[in-house]
Amino acid sequence: AQSVAQPEDQVNVAEGNPLTVKCTYSVSGNPYLFWYVQYPNRGLQFLLKYITGDNLVKGSYGFEAEFNKSQTSFHLKKPSALVSDSALYFCAVRDDTDKLIFGTGTRLQVFP
Amino acid sequence: NAGVTQTPKFRVLKTGQSMTLLCAQDMNHEYMYWYRQDPGMGLRLIHYSVGEGTTAKGEVPDGYNVSRLKKQNFLLGLESAAPSQTSVYFCASSRILAQTDTQYFGPGTRLTVL
Repeated sequence: AQSVAQPEDQVNVAEGNPLTVKCTYSVSGNPYLFWYVQYPNRGLQFLLKYITGDNLVKGSYGFEAEFNKSQTSFHLKKPSALVSDSALYFCAVRDDTDKLIFGTGTRLQVFP
Repeated sequence: NAGVTQTPKFRVLKTGQSMTLLCAQDMNHEYMYWYRQDPGMGLRLIHYSVGEGTTAKGEVPDGYNVSRLKKQNFLLGLESAAPSQTSVYFCASSRILAQTDTQYFGPGTRLTVL
């Protein structure tokens, strides 16, 4: 069965430093992977997705994610964090019935 | 273009009461979804719809019913609320090519059942 794991409940980073939010997946077949962000008291917003092609996917707000098939990972990255990036980040994988399976979320805290 | 809207934003119920949550989208999307979000558990799919007049069960459907009488609306009902249904509920929609398509989420409804 398809699944996705976010091993860190919270990631803390200083403003201006690079950030990484980790995600690993388990699928049978080709993975369709997504990152969503949730700001306080808001719904989820799409950041980026990997369907096929280049392993480095660029998304909104300067975020990017690296697909690594051998490590079954899809980590979210940003070269220089902003305080406004502080939010809850969800990794998701499309299952074989076309529905999204979400990870448990990682809270990113960027300190000034 | 409002995207996905949800009504109400907040609600407090007593155990055993019923209520309906309304989701509306103006993007002409075929697929609509209801999720619940609980701390430490991410989002879990309750029910979904692949088109007007159709509904299907998701991961956690017990205690909920849904209807999709109009393409733009997706209703989630709780017939007899229980404290375990205290949660934040999100509606989402996507186009018909759901396998690779983006889901658009509403702002959420925070429900407390006492």
